[in-house]
Amino acid sequence: NAGVTQTPKFRILKIGQSMTLQCTQDMNHNYMYWYRQDPGMGLKLIYYSVGAGITDKGEVPNGYNVSRSTTEDFPLRLELAAPSQTSVYFCASPRERDTGELFFGEGSRLTVL
Amino acid sequence: GIQVEQSPPDLILQEGANSTLRCNFSDSVNNLQWFHQNPWGQLINLFYIPSGTKQNGRLSATTVATERYSLLYISSSQTTDSGVYFCASSLGNQFYFGTGTSLTVIP
Repeated sequence: NAGVTQTPKFRILKIGQSMTLQCTQDMNHNYMYWYRQDPGMGLKLIYYSVGAGITDKGEVPNGYNVSRSTTEDFPLRLELAAPSQTSVYFCASPRERDTGELFFGEGSRLTVL
Repeated sequence: GIQVEQSPPDLILQEGANSTLRCNFSDSVNNLQWFHQNPWGQLINLFYIPSGTKQNGRLSATTVATERYSLLYISSSQTTDSGVYFCASSLGNQFYFGTGTSLTVIP
């Protein structure tokens, strides 16, 4: 049981490039979240999903897209990368909707130059 | 959404000292959790504590849901306790995080 797995751990992009951050959980949880954390700051919600086929915007969705074709996977796509998207990205999944522990992946550090 | 406030924002301790971190939240919640973000950036769940008191070694947490606050106690602090401590609560489909308490434990 690996919990929440994110890839890649590190990535450098040039302005205008696109990429996908992968997130997989093996706990059969319905809820999954993508957060970004800027240096010295807290966590901001980008997108979340309440189950396969269902996604919704969080606080800072602009410049990102998500999909949820399976319970296990919740990829985050960056289109036309900008320096403002330089951040650490975390995927997370709670045991239940609003009860139980929230499990985080190890994070993906993205730099856009 | 829920407003989550943490205090103090920064804390420097001598190794062996005790500390209390506070988390206030603006609404009734079903969920309150404490996390430790270590210097390598990993977020580790410390406590899931919607109410009551829990202890895990040198750490303990208390949530008084009726008064909308939670406390994290660190006793006999060690340098490995350094990092940022976040609390988070949830309502509906989203989790709401505080801005964290940055703890530095010096030997």
